[in-house]
Amino acid sequence: QKEVEQNSGPLSVPEGAIASLNCTYSDRGSQSFFWYRQYSGKSPELIMFIYSNGDKEDGRFTAQLNKASQYVSLLIRDSQPSDSATYLCAVTAYSGGSYIPTFGRGTSLIVHP
Amino acid sequence: ETGVTQSPTHLIKTRGQQVTLRCSSQSGHNTVSWYQQALGQGPQFIFQYYREEENGRGNFPPRFSGLQFPNYSSELNVNALELDDSALYLCASSFSNPAGGYTFGSGTRLTVV
Repeated sequence: QKEVEQNSGPLSVPEGAIASLNCTYSDRGSQSFFWYRQYSGKSPELIMFIYSNGDKEDGRFTAQLNKASQYVSLLIRDSQPSDSATYLCAVTAYSGGSYIPTFGRGTSLIVHP
Repeated sequence: ETGVTQSPTHLIKTRGQQVTLRCSSQSGHNTVSWYQQALGQGPQFIFQYYREEENGRGNFPPRFSGLQFPNYSSELNVNALELDDSALYLCASSFSNPAGGYTFGSGTRLTVV
């Protein structure tokens, strides 16, 4: 059973701080890694994807991947109250001729003014 | 460019009934995947369709079935509804190699009473 683990939180940070969200995965064959943001009652929206070891930056967001440790993280700099949402980590692995996605349960982030 | 659309947005069904949910994929995407998201949980992968054939399936019983049409739109059918089937059902489209991520529709909220 492929698993993607996230701390459900909530993670509470003050406005302007750095929020650090973490995710571990069980399948060493995993190839692509995604972070989605989901506001309450809404569908997930893609924030970032990464598939090489190291860091990838996009604006206030940085995704970090360490395949040896089977670990992927998302850093949000200068956190804003509008960043308050659930952040889903997703991983795809190639199996049986197709790419199969697995999502974590998500980490709830609260950014307080 | 059109996004992913799902219908209906909300649905109430009685235990034992059957339901069909519909999804139109984003323009250019050829793969559709379906997810069940219970409250407070991450999306659980149900199955995925590519070129009108199922090419990946999660841990869901056979009463969950689907179709993909030549225009890449898709249906999710659930027979013999159970109370635990109450959830948000999400459809996502992607390329066959989803390295760029999945685009989600707004979901169908199914309530089984």
